[in-house]
Amino acid sequence: GAGVSQSPSNKVTEKGKDVELRCDPISGHTALYWYRQSLGQGLEFLIYFQGNSAPDKSGLPSDRFSAERTGGSVSTLTIQRTQQEDSAVYLCASSPGQGRFFWEQYFGPGTRLTVT
Amino acid sequence: AQSVAQPEDQVNVAEGNPLTVKCTYSVSGNPYLFWYVQYPNRGLQFLLKYITGDNLVKGSYGFEAEFNKSQTSFHLKKPSALVSDSALYFCAVRAFEGNKFYFGSGTKLNVKP
Repeated sequence: GAGVSQSPSNKVTEKGKDVELRCDPISGHTALYWYRQSLGQGLEFLIYFQGNSAPDKSGLPSDRFSAERTGGSVSTLTIQRTQQEDSAVYLCASSPGQGRFFWEQYFGPGTRLTVT
Repeated sequence: AQSVAQPEDQVNVAEGNPLTVKCTYSVSGNPYLFWYVQYPNRGLQFLLKYITGDNLVKGSYGFEAEFNKSQTSFHLKKPSALVSDSALYFCAVRAFEGNKFYFGSGTKLNVKP
């Protein structure tokens, strides 16, 4: 079946502009994660959605970052007033959220964001 | 503080030899531990996990990992490396509160023919 998809695959933006990154999780997956991967770094947790529960936003680095998940499916990560340090690959992952595969995450290909 | 450490940026091994990619963790409570692999130009893929039970867990592509509570380690192993195993490997731990995951910085595995 279809995996996690993300769009756009690449985004170049000027410093100070807002950007929106989209994630389409695997159908039926109730859990959704956003991560940031900077060059040579591991994955940095940003935010976690599980069903209708309040999201865990503890990883968002500043109030310029926000995310929402509509209808328990598609998610959008918004970065306002982008800075050069926001340049990274943004990864989305989904997981079943229940059962024996609860914690196994399926990752999308990522969005490479470059802030000039 | 919760954290994961992968002490080796790179591991080089000859094809056919055993390989080990190291991971240590620091987490409160019982850890949920994971290994993911990232092939060039592809997304991260789940390899294996330890939640509870047998300390030796087996995963995809012939990989296995051993949970060692006393050493707080979860090293990834394979008895005989393949050139196609060359990739970036990430260890991860789930924090008990908030379902947050912490990933290591990754280890690049190079398997030479």
